[in-house]
Amino acid sequence: EVQLLESGGGLVQPGGSLRLSCAASGFTFSSYAMSWVRQAPGKGLEWVSAISGSGGSTYYADSVKGRFTISRDNSKNTLYLQMNSLRAEDTAVYYCAKEGYDCSSTSCSSDFEYWGQGTLVTVSS
Amino acid sequence: SYELTQPLSVSVALGQTARITCGGNNIGSKNVHWYQQKPGQAPVLVIYRDSNRPSGIPERFSGSNSGNTATLTISRAQAGDEADYYCQVWDSSTAKVFGTGTKVTVL
Repeated sequence: EVQLLESGGGLVQPGGSLRLSCAASGFTFSSYAMSWVRQAPGKGLEWVSAISGSGGSTYYADSVKGRFTISRDNSKNTLYLQMNSLRAEDTAVYYCAKEGYDCSSTSCSSDFEYWGQGTLVTVSS
Repeated sequence: SYELTQPLSVSVALGQTARITCGGNNIGSKNVHWYQQKPGQAPVLVIYRDSNRPSGIPERFSGSNSGNTATLTISRAQAGDEADYYCQVWDSSTAKVFGTGTKVTVL
């Protein structure tokens, strides 16, 4: 059974930093791309970032490019999201998602096959 | 940047058919995925690559994609189908994109 467990959310001041983690189990972690997707209160889904199975390719939404960094440790079956220079508009539930397959050399077009339950990040003074 | 447009809401009578559209420029050339999200829960994949159902998803859920519109169809709608639905694609310039979301109400 696939399980994704996010952690690391909380309250942070504007301009601050936070690192989210997602512990994965139930599948061969290194064989699949992974993503972070967020949802602001009362709003729709927004894709944040994706990473290939090897970690060699990363992709970011324009809204977080240069501030957030996605990474993975395949030896620990864990996905990370380092969030710097946080803004009020980054307030959201952050979901970790397993993709249906790995990225190719030119795209990362898979679906989000499984989702974690999310972790809330609140950016406020 | 690539954008996906969905109707804000769709209402359907119990047992009837609901159709949720997802509009995007030449979306027919892309793989479209659909997600269901109930209040307070994480999204669930209901259709992948235009028309494929993951295991455990009822046959009542189907999808199609052509031209500038992809469609998720829910046949014989049940009260448990009330949820928000999102389409999603990969675009070479924007990477992963979600639609604006549609709230489905079963009357």
